[in-house]
Amino acid sequence: GEDVEQSLFLSVREGDSSVINCTYTDSSSTYLYWYKQEPGAGLQLLTYIFSNMDMKQDQRLTVLLNKKDKHLSLRIADTQTGDSAIYFCAESRRGYNTDKLIFGTGTRLQVFP
Amino acid sequence: DTAVSQTPKYLVTQMGNDKSIKCEQNLGHDTMYWYKQDSKKFLKIMFSYNNKELIINETVPNRFSPKSPDKAHLNLHINSLELGDSAVYFCASSQDPPASETQYFGPGTRLLVL
Repeated sequence: GEDVEQSLFLSVREGDSSVINCTYTDSSSTYLYWYKQEPGAGLQLLTYIFSNMDMKQDQRLTVLLNKKDKHLSLRIADTQTGDSAIYFCAESRRGYNTDKLIFGTGTRLQVFP
Repeated sequence: DTAVSQTPKYLVTQMGNDKSIKCEQNLGHDTMYWYKQDSKKFLKIMFSYNNKELIINETVPNRFSPKSPDKAHLNLHINSLELGDSAVYFCASSQDPPASETQYFGPGTRLLVL
């Protein structure tokens, strides 16, 4: 995860918007993902964006992609306490004979009332 | 109706022991993965199998040996366990190898080596 960077912590008030940022490295990545990890659980795919898109909206989630700067962000509208978790961005990177996911360092989102 | 399951959920063992972690998926996927998540939450791929064939083999000590008896199972055997092996190990599966396919993760196996 050392090549895909995220800020470690984010704290927001319930009802506010959260923005989690990610900087990736491989400009040829075709897909970029956001995963959520709740305490003691595995990773759950939240959303993904194809590299020829700038934005994708899915209910409370908005993904913005800036390919020039290799910057990806996830905005969560009307953040709830149930959104408290660790959020990982990931890029698909071409390996020797297949693609593989490279995960970011994770951002721990804490939502307080 | 669990999609990706792992056993055991917790594993506490002594240094030097040999242990196995099992993974099963009932999604009909062709590709399975093992990931390691360390204490700082860094998540890194270790292995991937597609139709029982090894397609990703990252720089992992050869004390770790994956085995895929069939498409629905991918087990991880670890010989001579070391303190640094303590981590959470996640299994995942997807329909096809390309990472464009959604990967579904298991709940993780928390390994503690004493």
